[in-house]
Amino acid sequence: DQQVKQNSPSLSVQEGRISILNCDYTNSMFDYFLWYKKYPAEGPTFLISISSIKDKNEDGRFTVFLNKSAKHLSLHIVPSQPGDSAVYFCAARWKAGSYQLTFGKGTKLSVIP
Amino acid sequence: DGGITQSPKYLFRKEGQNVTLSCEQNLNHDAMYWYRQDPGQGLRLIYYSQIVNDFQKGDIAEGYSVSREKKESFPLTVTSAQKNPTAFYLCASSIGGQARYEQYFGPGTRLTVT
Repeated sequence: DQQVKQNSPSLSVQEGRISILNCDYTNSMFDYFLWYKKYPAEGPTFLISISSIKDKNEDGRFTVFLNKSAKHLSLHIVPSQPGDSAVYFCAARWKAGSYQLTFGKGTKLSVIP
Repeated sequence: DGGITQSPKYLFRKEGQNVTLSCEQNLNHDAMYWYRQDPGQGLRLIYYSQIVNDFQKGDIAEGYSVSREKKESFPLTVTSAQKNPTAFYLCASSIGGQARYEQYFGPGTRLTVT
């Protein structure tokens, strides 16, 4: 049973517009959420994170929103750039003390020039 | 220059052979991880280690083995018992403890078994 779900396998956005990537989770024991960006044949790179005690975290063009009651988080990229084209993974950490992360299947973002 | 090194980038093996994937980090991180990625799938955890000489099975440990004799190194052996070994393998590390939780990934090794 998938505990972290990214229901959109792909997303296309025009350059300069907003990209919104969504992630849903089922386990209320997750206490920390992260977004990773991955280019083909490379390892993922950390993008931005948010603790479950917050509802928003912003870093430059990237903002993550967390809605705990809906068990939903989203990553906003404004403005989108062609270099943002990659697969984005949502990940969540158990509260139990392990360092283990649970990843979603990813959303492939294509930013069209 | 700190980071995680995985070698080789591409690896080819015959079915029935064991193969060991290398992972080295010079970030002084306590925790290290191995993931597997298949097309259209997220990252699935194979094994992780929070400290030297200790490691735990992840979600898909069958057919794999690891060792953690040094803080810097966490090699993964794909044994002949692994039914579908062809995949992209990623090693990661993190500071652990009460510090930030992000994991830092290596460039990956693509293993092809025929």
